Parts: sequence; C-alpha cells; structure tokens
Amino acid sequence: AQRVTQPEKLLSVFKGAPVELKCNYSYSGSPELFWYVQYSRQRLQLLLRHISRESIKGFTADLNKGETSFHLKKPFAQEEDSAMYYCALREDQGGSEKLVFGKGTKLTVNP
Amino acid sequence: DSGVTQTPKHLITATGQRVTLRCSPRSGDLSVYWYQQSLDQGLQFLIQYYNGEERAKGNILERFSAQQFPDLHSELNLSSLELGDSALYFCASSADGFWTGELFFGEGSRLTVL
Repeated sequence: AQRVTQPEKLLSVFKGAPVELKCNYSYSGSPELFWYVQYSRQRLQLLLRHISRESIKGFTADLNKGETSFHLKKPFAQEEDSAMYYCALREDQGGSEKLVFGKGTKLTVNP
Repeated sequence: DSGVTQTPKHLITATGQRVTLRCSPRSGDLSVYWYQQSLDQGLQFLIQYYNGEERAKGNILERFSAQQFPDLHSELNLSSLELGDSALYFCASSADGFWTGELFFGEGSRLTVL
C-alpha cells in the first residue's frame, strides 16, 4: 500500500506565482514527515522537516493530521526552485527507522 | 569530498549476471541505507545497516544481498540480474541515530541490464 502519495508527477508554474506541491500520507502512528529536493546534477538532499516548523528557501510545509497531508508551499516561485521534490515519511520498523518516499513531483518554474 | 561516495557511477551488464555496488558513507556516519529508484516506482527502500549489522529490511529481493564492513563501507550485491533490475541505486548515510530524518545521499549507481 502506498504510504506516501504525491499526486502530481509534473507541476509547472511561472516565476513569481505561488506553488503548492501536494503530499498525502497514511500512517497509524505519530507521523514525522520531510521534504527532500534534488536539483539538476545535484544529490538528493533534505529541504525541511515538519517538526522544525522552519522555512527553507521560502518554502514551508504544515502537517495536517486531519487531512493526512503535508503540502509544500511557496508564495513566489523562483526559477532556481525547479527540481524534483520528494515527500518522505519516517516509519518505525521493529525498533529501527526508515524513510518511505513518495514518487516525487518535478517542478518547473518558467521565466 | 567527505560526502557519500558510490561506485561505479554507471554499469551495463547482461541478464543473469552478478554485480556489486559499493558505498562509502560520510565520515563518522554509522548507518547506511540502500534505495532503488526505477522509472515508475520512485525511491524504494531496500535495506539498512548500522555499524555492521542489518537493522531494517524493505522490499529487497532474495537475489539481492548487502553487507557493511568494519570500515563502515557497504556493498550491495545483485545476482541473476533481470531486465527489471535496471535502475538507479542510491546509498545514503546518517549519523548515529536517525531521529533527525536527515539522510545524506550519494550520487547513485546507474545499472542497466541488457
């Protein structure tokens, strides 16, 4: 069963427009969620984690337990935001943890 | 570069063959994770090692095996290769404990099975 769902494979917006990348999860315990990003020719890297409630590069994400969502938002997209974005859920497995990733959304910010 | 290093970057082989992918974690990181990324499946967790011992197992096929050595580098062995094993294989490492959720990824090894 898919535990992390990113419904959009591709998302295209214009520079300066708001952007929202959707992520929904299913998890019976207390969820911990993350957004990872992979810029062109760079490694996959952590963007932000919900427990930190931080804003990184203008992006924020709020955990909504009622809707089981963790959407990533930015009010004004920039061209350098173009990248692959992955939502990830921390799962406990017999005392150890692993990250379960969604299939990713490719964001393109057009000039 | 003290980041996660993976070798080889690219590998082309034939069905039925066996290959070994190698990963060196970041200096000081004890945990190593292997992920498989194929076109339609996204990043699939395969297996995790912590300080030489298997800690968590995901969707890893029986034809695949891994180990982590005393110097903390890890190898992923893929045998009896099939066309469907063609994918990008990522290694990631994390510091002791995992509760920060931050994994440091390598650049991946792209395997093509012909």
